[in-house]
Amino acid sequence: EPEVTQTPSHQVTQMGQEVILRCVPISNHLYFYWYRQILGQKVEFLVSFYNNEISEKSEIFDDQFSVERPDGSNFTLKIRSTKLEDSAMYFCASSETDNRNSPLHFGNGTRLTVT
Amino acid sequence: KNQVEQSPQSLIILEGKNCTLQCNYTVSPFSNLRWYKQDTGRGPVSLTIMTFSENTKSNGRYTATLDADTKQSSLHITASQLSDSASYICVVSAGGGGADGLTFGKGTHLIIQP
Repeated sequence: EPEVTQTPSHQVTQMGQEVILRCVPISNHLYFYWYRQILGQKVEFLVSFYNNEISEKSEIFDDQFSVERPDGSNFTLKIRSTKLEDSAMYFCASSETDNRNSPLHFGNGTRLTVT
Repeated sequence: KNQVEQSPQSLIILEGKNCTLQCNYTVSPFSNLRWYKQDTGRGPVSLTIMTFSENTKSNGRYTATLDADTKQSSLHITASQLSDSASYICVVSAGGGGADGLTFGKGTHLIIQP
């Protein structure tokens, strides 16, 4: 079964540095998403992306964050000037369509640790 | 404010036993309700999606129910196996659906003991 793949699985960075988290969505999916989950807390929506542009973003997704689809397969999340509170699991997800019955397919996440 | 509350927060049962997890929501307008299974250190995996008109849906040993009038859902696991140990997350979609309007619960952490 096709799956969403994320790299790296674990990223350690120093406060103030920039990180890029990478995702390869399922090939025939058109909608892409980033979520984060701080340890012990619930999953939080960051951003959705369709047709090469952001379609929706949450309050969390401020100017520190950006997303890009640099080629036909990769979908990246860039976090600039990382802070301690950015430490979390970051999940990429994709879906075939953006309708009420379309399941989200999640990757296994990147654990970001900011020291 | 849209909210999803799950209970219990955690649950321990013996292998082979059944269990039921609860989800109450205040999400408007309601579009659909989803249950996900999240193994430790992994991404959530979809178990079921139910729309307003569906009141029960099964996926193997998992059966979800939905009461749209009382805004409650349950996930029943039959004949539990060690591999069922995971967090189970209830997610409710508002409005037109899609990921943008999803409200996640905190999950129920289920442990199956041999």
